[in-house]
Amino acid sequence: GENVEQHPSTLSVQEGDSAVIKCTYSDSASNYFPWYKQELGKRPQLIIDIRSNVGEKKDQRIAVTLNKTAKHFSLHITETQPEDSAVYFCAATTGITGTASKLTFGTGTRLQVTL
Amino acid sequence: SQTIHQWPATLVQPVGSPLSLECTVEGTSNPNLYWYRQAAGRGLQLLFYSVGIGQISSEVPQNLSASRPQDRQFILSSKKLLLSDSGFYLCAWSVRGTTNYGYTFGSGTRLTVV
Repeated sequence: GENVEQHPSTLSVQEGDSAVIKCTYSDSASNYFPWYKQELGKRPQLIIDIRSNVGEKKDQRIAVTLNKTAKHFSLHITETQPEDSAVYFCAATTGITGTASKLTFGTGTRLQVTL
Repeated sequence: SQTIHQWPATLVQPVGSPLSLECTVEGTSNPNLYWYRQAAGRGLQLLFYSVGIGQISSEVPQNLSASRPQDRQFILSSKKLLLSDSGFYLCAWSVRGTTNYGYTFGSGTRLTVV
């Protein structure tokens, strides 16, 4: 089955700096890669996703890049703010229309944005 | 709009007691449903998923079971809880029949087995 590795496990940046979180996956058939943000005690919430036919996607201060050849994808947050402090999870799945999309998650990155 | 409800929010149960967690989805039909567990400070582990009424797939052997008695209802159960069952249990749903593979999670149940 799919295996997703995520690094680093913790990341501390100063407000206004950029943060990068990296993930690798094992199944070359994976075609959907979402990123979730989980604040303390809350549910994970989807912040951005990318499909295997796209190399990069951006949404305001958040961007995700995908390298299918190397089987890795990254989350980039620019101009970090204190409210970006949370645990971020990457995930991967081989999505097939009509079946369940079983997401395999990374182990999470605790991002702390300091003033 | 679609909403997902999960209850209870917190639960403290003694070892050996039974468990029943419930999840319901509103505003959609034929959803794919999932149960995940998150141990303290850890990632999310898929426990069960379902593509329809009565159709349950288990991802890991364990002390838990799942049922889907109605299209938008998903139940996680145990006959006898173990200490290792403690964790944050999350229900999620995704749209079936499209290329939208993303999940929406419920608010979670924090289970402490004592």
